Amino acid sequence: ETGVTQTPRHLVMGMTNKKSLKCEQHLGHNAMYWYKQSAKKPLELMFVYSLEERVENNSVPSRFSPECPNSSHLFLHLHTLQPEDSALYLCASSQDSSSGDEQFFGPGTRLTVL
Amino acid sequence: GQNIDQPTEMTATEGAIVQINCTYQTSGFNGLFWYQQHAGEAPTFLSYNVLDGLEEKGRFSSFLSRSKGYSYLLLKELQMKDSASYLCAVRDAGGSYIPTFGRGTSLIVHP
Repeated sequence: ETGVTQTPRHLVMGMTNKKSLKCEQHLGHNAMYWYKQSAKKPLELMFVYSLEERVENNSVPSRFSPECPNSSHLFLHLHTLQPEDSALYLCASSQDSSSGDEQFFGPGTRLTVL
Repeated sequence: GQNIDQPTEMTATEGAIVQINCTYQTSGFNGLFWYQQHAGEAPTFLSYNVLDGLEEKGRFSSFLSRSKGYSYLLLKELQMKDSASYLCAVRDAGGSYIPTFGRGTSLIVHP
C-alpha cells in the first residue's frame, strides 16, 4: 500500500468519449502530479499541483484537463482523445513540489483509446 | 534540458550481482533518484544521491559521480523478485525541483 490510489485501474474509451481519472493520496502531501508512461519512453510529466494550484504544465494538449479540488484529490478529465494517447497514466504525490522529496506513485490507470 | 541514458534491458542470474548504469547531462545538478517498477505496478523509491560516493541500503547500493555525470545501482544476491524496471531520475539546478526520468532498465533475473 503506497498511500496513493487511482481509479479506474483500466479504461477503454472511444475517441468521442469523455471520461475522468481519479487519484487520491492519504499521505498528507501538498504536491500532486500526473505522468504519462508509454512503452519504451521515459515517464513524461504532464501536470503538477502544489496546494491545489497548478505550478507546471508541460505543453499537454487541451484534450487533457486536470482538476485539483483539494490537496488530497487530483483528477484528469479526458475528451476526444487519440489512439496515441493510449498509455499508463500515473499519479504521484510528494511533501511539496519545491524540495525535491521522493515521490510516491499510485498504481496507474491503463488507458486504451480505440 | 536534460539527457539521461540507461541500458534498455539487462539479464542476470539469481544470486549474482548486477550493476545498472545511468549517465546524464544537465545544465546543473541537484540530486539523482532510483526507482523500482514491477510490471503493472507503481514505481517505488529506492535511493537518492546528491553527493559523490556510495550509499548502501541492504542488498541495494547507489553510487554517484557528479564530475562524470554518472550513477549506478548495484543489486547484490539477486532474487527472482528483483525482476523489474529500474528508473533513473535526475533533478537539475534550475527553478523546478521536479526530476526528469530516464527510459528505465528492464532487469530479468533467471534461476
